[in-house]
Amino acid sequence: ETGVTQSPTHLIKTRGQQVTLRCSSQSGHNTVSWYQQALGQGPQFIFQYYREEENGRGNFPPRFSGLQFPNYSSELNVNALELDDSALYLCASSLGRAGETQYFGPGTRLLVL
Amino acid sequence: GQSLEQPSEVTAVEGAIVQINCTYQTSGFYGLSWYQQHDGGAPTFLSYNGLDGLEETGRFSSFLSRSDSYGYLLLQELQMKDSASYFCAINNNDMRFGAGTRLTVKP
Repeated sequence: ETGVTQSPTHLIKTRGQQVTLRCSSQSGHNTVSWYQQALGQGPQFIFQYYREEENGRGNFPPRFSGLQFPNYSSELNVNALELDDSALYLCASSLGRAGETQYFGPGTRLLVL
Repeated sequence: GQSLEQPSEVTAVEGAIVQINCTYQTSGFYGLSWYQQHDGGAPTFLSYNGLDGLEETGRFSSFLSRSDSYGYLLLQELQMKDSASYFCAINNNDMRFGAGTRLTVKP
């Protein structure tokens, strides 16, 4: 059984740039959720994809967008990067929209300068 | 909206028992989850309560009371490796996390 993987592990961007983060879900899981975690804080829900459709969105602006592919892997895109976007971005996969257990990837640490 | 409150820090000694409380305000949800996160690591699932009552998984137990909007995580026989941050989270078609409780286990 393959766990959740994310790429890249680290990334440095400058303000105004765009970034794409990738996530491969655990085998058999059809739901991917994305989170932003600032240092010392809990993960903040960005959005969730279930079978390629967005299934809920947190309080993030439209410049945060995503995709889920037929193999259930997913992308998070952030446009017009701001300094406050610097954070750890986590994806988690689960089985079903209200999956009891979410399996997190190791995260992508994004630094915006 | 949904908000969850949990203590920011807890300290205990090896072998002791510690309880981390979580109170929440939400209009409805599937269940309450608990996750552990070591520094530099990703959150890992510990326990889930879909129904009121106690769930036991080894040294860890979790409790939920929907009528009291309250839950807790109980860690027994504390070990040094239990030093980490612990998050409660509401399952409601997404996962809303609390700010986390940093547990320090001392020898």
